[in-house]
Amino acid sequence: GDSVTQMEGPVTLSEEAFLTINCTYTATGYPSLFWYVQYPGEGLQLLLKATKADDKGSNKGFEATYRKETTSFHLEKGSVQVSDSAVYFCALRSGYSTLTFGKGTMLLVSP
Amino acid sequence: GAGVSQSPRYKVAKRGQDVALRCDPISGHVSLFWYQQALGQGPEFLTYFQNEAQLDKSGLPSDRFFAERPEGSVSTLKIQRTQQEDSAVYLCASSLRDAGGSNQPQHFGDGTRLSIL
Repeated sequence: GDSVTQMEGPVTLSEEAFLTINCTYTATGYPSLFWYVQYPGEGLQLLLKATKADDKGSNKGFEATYRKETTSFHLEKGSVQVSDSAVYFCALRSGYSTLTFGKGTMLLVSP
Repeated sequence: GAGVSQSPRYKVAKRGQDVALRCDPISGHVSLFWYQQALGQGPEFLTYFQNEAQLDKSGLPSDRFFAERPEGSVSTLKIQRTQQEDSAVYLCASSLRDAGGSNQPQHFGDGTRLSIL
């Protein structure tokens, strides 16, 4: 079945550091890929998405590129801020609807 | 409201009690999903509605879990004879469907944190 594997956290960075959170997936067919962010006490918010190979999703300085050859969708940001501290979930959608999530990676950014 | 609304935000129940969790999707969103998120884990799919039809309930962990959406809008997730392992955050999400019949990205509510004592 479908699955998503993310790097374990927490990832601890200083403000303005470069961020990479690795995500790889296993799926049948050609899934759509997503990154969601969850701030403390809140639900998930869609951060970015990509629907086909080589697509790059981007939002709020975050980027991720759909790499079919390596089945990866790594999240990157050039300069993180304290306000980026949250849990980040990689997810895929194959077939009609339902999302399959990774376990999440906590990001902690210190001033 | 503008987003998906879930109530209550927090629910504490004794083992063996029945609970009901409510989800108000974004107006006009045809598709509605329920997920269960255990502590430190990613959300896991429970069930999916398209309008009032429950098209997929393959993720419901046992027959103690029941979901409905009778008028194609508000949905209720009911858990009967709760067990400690039911303690989790229950997330609801809704989405539009495009002209091709594909679901657009899901919008999530803030969840209901259920604690079973």
